[in-house]
Amino acid sequence: GQNIDQPTEMTATEGAIVQINCTYQTSGFNGLFWYQQHAGEAPTFLSYNVLDGLEEKGRFSSFLSRSKGYSYLLLKELQMKDSASYLCAESSNTGKLIFGQGTTLQVKP
Amino acid sequence: DTGVSQNPRHKITKRGQNVTFRCDPISEHNRLYWYRQTLGQGPEFLTYFQNEAQLEKSRLLSDRFSAERPKGSFSTLEIQRTEQGDSAMYLCASSSTSGRGETQYFGPGTRLLVL
Repeated sequence: GQNIDQPTEMTATEGAIVQINCTYQTSGFNGLFWYQQHAGEAPTFLSYNVLDGLEEKGRFSSFLSRSKGYSYLLLKELQMKDSASYLCAESSNTGKLIFGQGTTLQVKP
Repeated sequence: DTGVSQNPRHKITKRGQNVTFRCDPISEHNRLYWYRQTLGQGPEFLTYFQNEAQLEKSRLLSDRFSAERPKGSFSTLEIQRTEQGDSAMYLCASSSTSGRGETQYFGPGTRLLVL
């Protein structure tokens, strides 16, 4: 089956670094996506990994280990506006996205 | 910049009524996806189109749900005989099969409340 697991909630302090983990168990793997979703809004694309390793994009980085079925999203220099839900999603070989339940991140001053 | 658009943004209806939602994808995107999201959960896949062909439907999509993309451009999602359990955010996303990773870009969603 397909099962995406990520923590439900995390709290961090403004200016700090936070790592949000995601594990997946599936066949037909076609890449791992991270999306950000503010309350009441649509998900917005953050990152995509299909090969093992780290992809860096500004304050956000994403890591993938296919052998371990594991990914993480790293957010540096946290800002208050980073308070949002972070969705891990696996892309199947048919193109559809299978999402985890999302991690609600609260950034405190 | 024209992203994915969805109409209406909000819909309140009474149980048993039919509702129809529209999605206009990014113009050069050939794939269009529908997802449903309830509070505190990630989006769940419903169905997707490549051009005008509906290629996959989730088991979540009961007989009361139907989706079309008649000319390979905009798409409609209809729910017949709505039930309270249909209350959710309905998200549309589009992507292009060319390029890296086939990133899906989401519209703002239609929030449905069934009374």
